Amino acid sequence: DAMVIQNPRYQVTQFGKPVTLSCSQTLNHNVMYWYQQKSSQAPKLLFHYYDKDFNNEADTPDNFQSRRPNTSFCFLDIRSPGLGDAAMYLCATSRIDRGEYNEQFFGPGTRLTVL
Amino acid sequence: DQQVKQNSPSLSVQEGRISILNCDYTNSMFDYFLWYKKYPAEGPTFLISISSIKDKNEDGRFTVFLNKSAKHLSLHIVPSQPGDSAVYSCAAVRRGSQGNLIFGKGTKLSVKP
Repeated sequence: DAMVIQNPRYQVTQFGKPVTLSCSQTLNHNVMYWYQQKSSQAPKLLFHYYDKDFNNEADTPDNFQSRRPNTSFCFLDIRSPGLGDAAMYLCATSRIDRGEYNEQFFGPGTRLTVL
Repeated sequence: DQQVKQNSPSLSVQEGRISILNCDYTNSMFDYFLWYKKYPAEGPTFLISISSIKDKNEDGRFTVFLNKSAKHLSLHIVPSQPGDSAVYSCAAVRRGSQGNLIFGKGTKLSVKP
């Protein structure tokens, strides 16, 4: 049973053409994360939502935005993709209660190609 | 500047033997550490974790050891099985963050029959 679902699995876009990646979860977790992973590199956190509160990492480019319309869904919008934005984008969820850490559950990722 | 380092990109082990995967970190603010396993075309899957107040955590064939003074952790898999072949990444959580993981680059483990 899929718990963190990412669509599409593969996305091809043109340079400068806006693209949206989606993530949904059936775990009812209160925190959702977006990571970017480039080839041969470690995943890097872009931002996360703690409930409805958006938290941006300091070095995430303005080109990247996110929306979380409800608990289950979270979107990653890339307003003007550049060639350097080609990467695997991973969505993850976690439940944090009273500051207690719990493991993150990851989706399968969306591989973005920019032509 | 990598705060979490896995210096061995790959490791090959014979089935039935012990696999030892290593990870070093630089940030003393990390207080929780996790190991993830990743198969091709899938997302990372949580394997085992350890809090900084402990030095060992065991779950079946998997044991994680933490040496805080050396800022080093290791994952032991005993006995190794061919199905364990995957990429293993360690990750650390900063104190005061909301579970934001800092990952290492991963070590590709190959267990040969």
